[in-house]
Amino acid sequence: AQTVTQSQPEMSVQEAETVTLSCTYDTSESDYYLFWYKQPPSRQMILVIRQEAYKQQNATENRFSVNFQKAAKSFSLKISDSQLGDAAMYFCAYRSSPGWGSNYKLTFGKGTLLTVNP
Amino acid sequence: EADIYQTPRYLVIGTGKKITLECSQTMGHDKMYWYQQDPGMELHLIHYSYGVNSTEKGDLSSESTVSRIRTEHFPLTLESARPSHTSQYLCASGGGDTQYFGPGTRLTVL
Repeated sequence: AQTVTQSQPEMSVQEAETVTLSCTYDTSESDYYLFWYKQPPSRQMILVIRQEAYKQQNATENRFSVNFQKAAKSFSLKISDSQLGDAAMYFCAYRSSPGWGSNYKLTFGKGTLLTVNP
Repeated sequence: EADIYQTPRYLVIGTGKKITLECSQTMGHDKMYWYQQDPGMELHLIHYSYGVNSTEKGDLSSESTVSRIRTEHFPLTLESARPSHTSQYLCASGGGDTQYFGPGTRLTVL
């Protein structure tokens, strides 16, 4: 079974600075998907960014980018120019691709609570 | 606008009551999911569905039940609520690679 580990329970960053959240995962599969979700205090989970394992290029969405290291099974999220609205719990998640008999379930890490200081 | 909805957002109820948490999506997704989020914020999959008349139990054992009679609707029912059922319940749907989440229902059982 796949596992996802977020080793930083809490992180903090100054407004306008850059922060990187870590995520590692364990799998024997070669094709899969990785996601970062954000859950602000209002509690709705929002998709931040997704990465397909067969794509070597790191995904980017505005101020959010990932550093995907497939061999190291690492998938970190970088937030540039941090804003107060970035404060939230961030979850890393893994999903097998359909070719691996996937039931489309997500495996989540335990989350990293990000605080943004003004 | 395509979205996923959950009602109620907050529910406080007494022990022994039957409750149904509603989840609806207008995105036409086949797959839908229920997660339970514990106070430590960890997410546990409790039910999922691949389509109409399809329901499966998730990774975390739950006393709740679900049904999928219509594509857009995936309600969760607790026949007799107990304080141990107090939690945040998140519904999600997915039509391709990605799951999209509803706003959640915070259930408190007294």
